Amino acid sequence: DIQMTQSPSSLSASIGDRIIITCQANQDISHYLNWYQQRPGKAPKVLIYDASELETGVPSRFSASGSGTDFTFTISSLQPEDFATYYCQHYTNLPPRVIFGGGTKVET
Amino acid sequence: EVRLVESGGGLVQPGRSLRLSCGASGFVFDNHAMHWVRQAPGKGLEWVAGISWNGRKIGYVDSVKGRFTISRDNTKNSLYLQMNSLRVEDTALYYCVKDSDGYNYQYFDYWGQGILVTVSS
Repeated sequence: DIQMTQSPSSLSASIGDRIIITCQANQDISHYLNWYQQRPGKAPKVLIYDASELETGVPSRFSASGSGTDFTFTISSLQPEDFATYYCQHYTNLPPRVIFGGGTKVET
Repeated sequence: EVRLVESGGGLVQPGRSLRLSCGASGFVFDNHAMHWVRQAPGKGLEWVAGISWNGRKIGYVDSVKGRFTISRDNTKNSLYLQMNSLRVEDTALYYCVKDSDGYNYQYFDYWGQGILVTVSS
């Protein structure tokens, strides 16, 4: 079974900081990886799909890269509204399955 | 505007059943795969089940296989989750989620606000 390991599980940061979160798969998952943001008390929101594609309307300070087993998610300059929990998500269609990483909480 | 509105949650005893519903509007429902995702209190996200636009591609997380059934009624723009033999560990906020694709699973572009299911004696 595919396992997704996200790190760190939490981090402390300040406004303007560059933030990097990693997600590692235990086998090759090509580019089938998405990134979500979940603010407290809210539903998640997609930021990046297919490893590096920025969803429409998402600010350009968010970016991501990677393929195969190793992926990174970056916030270039942290803004006040970016304090949230971020999740990576792998999807596959053979068999149909979706797996989330454990999440990374970005806090002050 | 895309809207996903869940209903049917509540408090239920272990071993009992519950059926969640999700009413969709603001998009062509039968053009999109749909999913249920849950989040236990204070925990991360867990995908529960997904269904393609035509109901022919269905997937479940291992922990609910044989107990939960996902279905959809495209004539009613509705998604369902029949949950049987409920366990305490099924306690969570359940989200109805729209996929960006129709047949395949890709990414989740719209989420409902969630409905709470509490399994307790």
